[in-house]
Amino acid sequence: QKEVEQDPGPLSVPEGAIVSLNCTYSNSAFQYFMWYRQYSRKGPELLMYTYSSGNKEDGRFTAQVDKSSKYISLFIRDSQPSDSATYLCAMSETSGSRLTFGEGTQLTVNP
Amino acid sequence: DAMVIQNPRYQVTQFGKPVTLSCSQTLNHNVMYWYQQKSSQAPKLLFHYYDKDFNNEADTPDNFQSRRPNTSFCFLDIRSPGLGDAAMYLCATSRDWGARGYTFGSGTRLTVV
Repeated sequence: QKEVEQDPGPLSVPEGAIVSLNCTYSNSAFQYFMWYRQYSRKGPELLMYTYSSGNKEDGRFTAQVDKSSKYISLFIRDSQPSDSATYLCAMSETSGSRLTFGEGTQLTVNP
Repeated sequence: DAMVIQNPRYQVTQFGKPVTLSCSQTLNHNVMYWYQQKSSQAPKLLFHYYDKDFNNEADTPDNFQSRRPNTSFCFLDIRSPGLGDAAMYLCATSRDWGARGYTFGSGTRLTVV
């Protein structure tokens, strides 16, 4: 069983839609949770960084962590064609430990 | 702009012919990482350096080596590439081990023919 599970998609939505991306994990020691965005033929870039359970909002992006369910989400409001990319979740046990990545969800936002 | 630069962006090599990928950073970060990412798969950590301290992942094949001659540069050497080594190779840095996520380069896509 993989430590981090992420639905690979592909996910296709119309412009303006609310997008929900999710990851589940099995390691209860994970405390730090990240979302990376990876455009085609580019390296991942950090979108959101959260610690423990709760919500974090940054513009159109909201990250949610539910440690009791071992479930994290990234919501994108008013999605734009420029949001079309692969979204990778990543997590670690401490701020100073290795990252474990999900496989990524490929998102396409259609104009 | 401070960044992580990987060269080349695309590399084609012959089966069994040694190849070296390079990464440089202007962030003055202590930690540099090499990841292998195959299509539709999670990035897989190969090794990392904390300054000059080298750390090899247990399942990284012996075919893969790395060098970090100074703070700014890190190299990935594949001694005898096989068809299964075709992938995107990502270099990343962080100020300290695991600190608030990483800064990635754009990657080198390796093709083995």
